[in-house]
Amino acid sequence: DGGITQSPKYLFRKEGQNVTLSCEQNLNHDAMYWYRQDPGQGLRLIYYSQIVNDFQKGDIAEGYSVSREKKESFPLTVTSAQKNPTAFYLCASSLTGGGLNTEAFFGQGTRLTVV
Amino acid sequence: GENVEQHPSTLSVQEGDSAVIKCTYSDSASNYFPWYKQELGKGPQLIIDIRSNVGEKKDQRIAVTLNKTAKHFSLHITETQPEDSAVYFCAASNYGGSQGNLIFGKGTKLSVKP
Repeated sequence: DGGITQSPKYLFRKEGQNVTLSCEQNLNHDAMYWYRQDPGQGLRLIYYSQIVNDFQKGDIAEGYSVSREKKESFPLTVTSAQKNPTAFYLCASSLTGGGLNTEAFFGQGTRLTVV
Repeated sequence: GENVEQHPSTLSVQEGDSAVIKCTYSDSASNYFPWYKQELGKGPQLIIDIRSNVGEKKDQRIAVTLNKTAKHFSLHITETQPEDSAVYFCAASNYGGSQGNLIFGKGTKLSVKP
């Protein structure tokens, strides 16, 4: 089945620890995105990548890092510098970032809780 | 940059009634307007989208209208059913621009009472 897969579904982290969230897609999409979702805040863009080996900061990039070494993969690292990391994280992909078809397909999300 | 406002934040309707959710956007260059439905604990799924060269689009019980002059667009759900209960997000993007990423509204929680 084609799609976008996030893992794990639930993640617990101790304060001061870095943690990496996985996002893999087999849709052959060029662009990938990470969003953070908090109650009443909608979806806020953390980072996005329109092509392999390139990525840009979104609106709330502080305390996060990403890499895009392969077209299929766009992992997100939540660092200890992120002051309030507890949230629901959503990964998405689209065919091209600036092309005609920008329908975004979302993964099922990872719920990160700092304990 | 683009800013998308969405109203209402919560909406409760009786089964069979219609539901309308409205969004406004700030960037006149935006030209792609999707609507997503998110069920509890899941990722959002596209339900309908509209591009700026079209004023209205329908898909069965769902329709979207776009007013470019006023910079607002709306989602209309007719004959609502309990399974329509979810959070709905509007979004806007300029797919011909340098970014093309989606800017989302804050969502509307729709409850359909049987």
